[in-house]
Amino acid sequence: QQQVKQSPQSLIVQKGGISIINCAYENTAFDYFPWYQQFPGKGPALLIAIRPDVSEKKEGRFTISFNKSAKQFSLHIMDSQPGDSATYFCAASLDSNYQLIWGAGTKLIIKP
Amino acid sequence: GAGVSQSPSNKVTEKGKDVELRCDPISGHTALYWYRQSLGQGLEFLIYFQGNSAPDKSGLPSDRFSAERTGGSVSTLTIQRTQQEDSAVYLCASSFMPGLETGELFFGEGSRLTVL
Repeated sequence: QQQVKQSPQSLIVQKGGISIINCAYENTAFDYFPWYQQFPGKGPALLIAIRPDVSEKKEGRFTISFNKSAKQFSLHIMDSQPGDSATYFCAASLDSNYQLIWGAGTKLIIKP
Repeated sequence: GAGVSQSPSNKVTEKGKDVELRCDPISGHTALYWYRQSLGQGLEFLIYFQGNSAPDKSGLPSDRFSAERTGGSVSTLTIQRTQQEDSAVYLCASSFMPGLETGELFFGEGSRLTVL
């Protein structure tokens, strides 16, 4: 019940295309859903996060879509750029808990 | 600097030796985490410190692993009698406080450990 399942494991998208990464969770008590971006040789960094009281959150070219009934959330990267090539991790947690439950990561490659 | 600082950035050791990895969190951050990331893999939780509370050691893979945090700031992760399967990047993260938008984790660049 504590798992977060992330797919796909890897993704190749042409420059200018839309990149979509999906995550599914089981624990309906989760109330915080962040996405972290990790470049090679660096630690992950928070990209965008959402709470379950909204269905969508947009920051620039990055959008989180949240489907509470399906227990799924996804990251959409519009107009994908080579600089977006990185590994993306979804996660989930309880507000009252310090522990983030991490997805396995998606390696995204944007082809120029 | 203002970020999380980890040292050494790279460590090569022989099987059976002990290693110490250091993490200097962002000043004022009360929460500190250690994670392990094997090549091309996800983040494996190791240990969590919050203020003066007892640490959550539930992620430590064996009794060869230990960590301490002195004065609520710098943390050291110690691996005794290293094994080849310990080879990974060890990431440290700190947070101002756990929970929601205030719980953003700030990661260091990691310490890459190679056990020969």
